[in-house]
Amino acid sequence: GIQVEQSPPDLILQEGANSTLRCNFSDSVNNLQWFHQNPWGQLINLFYIPSGTKQNGRLSATTVATERYSLLYISSSQTTDSGVYFCAVELDFNKFYFGSGTKLNVKP
Amino acid sequence: ETGVTQTPRHLVMGMTNKKSLKCEQHLGHNAMYWYKQSAKKPLELMFVYNFKEQTENNSVPSRFSPECPNSSHLFLHLHTLQPEDSALYLCASSPGASGNTIYFGEGSWLTVV
Repeated sequence: GIQVEQSPPDLILQEGANSTLRCNFSDSVNNLQWFHQNPWGQLINLFYIPSGTKQNGRLSATTVATERYSLLYISSSQTTDSGVYFCAVELDFNKFYFGSGTKLNVKP
Repeated sequence: ETGVTQTPRHLVMGMTNKKSLKCEQHLGHNAMYWYKQSAKKPLELMFVYNFKEQTENNSVPSRFSPECPNSSHLFLHLHTLQPEDSALYLCASSPGASGNTIYFGEGSWLTVV
């Protein structure tokens, strides 16, 4: 099956710092999404980004589909950014597979 | 509020109990999903329904029984579970069309004692 690998697995930042999270996938995919999971378990959609670059406030994402990776950039991090960040790829129609996540802890 | 509602949010059940998790989506989507999230593991796809028809069963044990009466509702019936089945169970939906974007409910935290 497809492999979806995220790095780093854990990240500790001081508030105000920038970071880059990476998602590698082993096969061609139909689409790719980034999520933030809050401490209560809720998965929040951040980006739908099968290719190209998108920005939303302090967050931006880039997917290079031909090279099978995606990057999530967090600038000027805040304590509310803490949580787990997942990427998910749609391999076949309606089959979404997740990476293991990056656990981010932003300290004040 | 993502448009996907799960109940109950928390459930504690004994190994001989029978219980059900419920999911409802208000997004007009055609596909619905159950995922399992255990500690220190990636989200595991369990079941997929498209237009009420099951299109994916990811080798899930028969003690988990899904039901999809229509495109807006999805149930997960639970019986004779094991303690290792304790996890966060997430329901999701997607349009099931081009530009497929998946949206999740808040999850049901299940503890089997």
